[in-house]
Amino acid sequence: EAQVTQNPRYLITVTGKKLTVTCSQNMNHEYMSWYRQDPGLGLRQIYYSMNVEVTDKGDVPEGYKVSRKEKRNFPLILESPSPNQTSLYFCASSLGRRNEQFFGPGTRLTVL
Amino acid sequence: GQQVMQIPQYQHVQEGEDFTTYCNSSTTLSNIQWYKQRPGGHPVFLIQLVKSGEVKKQKRLTFQFGEAKKNSSLHITATQTTDVGTYFCASSSGGYQKVTFGTGTKLQVIP
Repeated sequence: EAQVTQNPRYLITVTGKKLTVTCSQNMNHEYMSWYRQDPGLGLRQIYYSMNVEVTDKGDVPEGYKVSRKEKRNFPLILESPSPNQTSLYFCASSLGRRNEQFFGPGTRLTVL
Repeated sequence: GQQVMQIPQYQHVQEGEDFTTYCNSSTTLSNIQWYKQRPGGHPVFLIQLVKSGEVKKQKRLTFQFGEAKKNSSLHITATQTTDVGTYFCASSSGGYQKVTFGTGTKLQVIP
């Protein structure tokens, strides 16, 4: 089944404790993104990747890192999480940036 | 950066009434996509429009792309409770490799 998976689905952590949210897709897609969703602000792109080893900043990259060592995986790293990073995070993949995006189920992160 | 404004933010309708959400941009868009997110779920792709003045239909849903390619609309005829959710437009335009989403319209359908 074609899908995007994210782990964990829920995470409560404390300020400053490094964490990684994993994302994996099995559709051989080149373009992958991370978004955060906050009430009233819609979906905002954090980082995106055009292909392996090619990543770039989206609209809200501060406090986040990503890597794309393999085509299927695109982890999101928070080196020192802060409470303003409490949000719902979605990973998405597509053939290209102008193609239909497939979203993962979401990760709800709370930083205390 | 590119901005896509979406209105209204919320809409409550009686079941059977029509519903429309609008996306507007100050710059010309090369494409517009629409997504639906059910409560507690993730966004799911509905459709993409690329041509000036394009109109596409999916059952009770009608999607339009403006002649100047700066606005788009999604119209639902005779809403049903299954239409509940948040509708987003999105675009990946210009020289940027980013994708920009509108702020979404949350639709509530009252039975």
